[in-house]
Amino acid sequence: DQQVKQNSPSLSVQEGRISILNCDYTNSMFDYFLWYKKYPAEGPTFLISISSIKDKNEDGRFTVFLNKSAKHLSLHIVPSQPGDSAVYFCAASATGGTSYGKLTFGQGTILTVHP
Amino acid sequence: SAVISQKPSRDICQRGTSLTIQCQVDSQVTMMFWYRQQPGQSLTLIATANQGSEATYESGFVIDKFPISRPNLTFSTLTVSNMSPEDSSIYLCSVDSSGYEQYFGPGTRLTVT
Repeated sequence: DQQVKQNSPSLSVQEGRISILNCDYTNSMFDYFLWYKKYPAEGPTFLISISSIKDKNEDGRFTVFLNKSAKHLSLHIVPSQPGDSAVYFCAASATGGTSYGKLTFGQGTILTVHP
Repeated sequence: SAVISQKPSRDICQRGTSLTIQCQVDSQVTMMFWYRQQPGQSLTLIATANQGSEATYESGFVIDKFPISRPNLTFSTLTVSNMSPEDSSIYLCSVDSSGYEQYFGPGTRLTVT
């Protein structure tokens, strides 16, 4: 079963506008969430994370929002730049117990930012 | 963040053979992880490798197929044994940070013919 889902395979936005990438999860044990960016032929690069005790975390142009009741998180990129074009993966972790360190990834969303 | 390198970066192998992938980190880390990304798919955790103990494998992955070594705090290897075309994937190692984030190597692109 897919415990972390990114239902949009792709997203296209204009430079300078907002990009919103969405992610849903089903496992109530997940308490830490991360976003990674991946360019072709490279490994995923960590972008931003959020703990379940928060509902928002901001780092420069990147903001992650968490809605625990809906089991939904989103990544906002403002303003979007052509260099942001990449595959974005949502990941989740249950930080307690035997699952510590294990990341469960979504399928990824291909973001294309047009100049 | 740690700097992680992997060797080889890519390889084309014949079915039935084995390939060992190396992962080197520029600092000592407690936990190292091996992931697989099949074509068009997400990243899936294969196993967790802690120094001085046996690797812990995820459901669907077994030690006979994916033996792992972790001889010290900066190095690990993953072997893909008796390969078939279904093993064609990108294999990635990652390490934990001081928090819950993981940092990934560049990956090894494996094609099995």
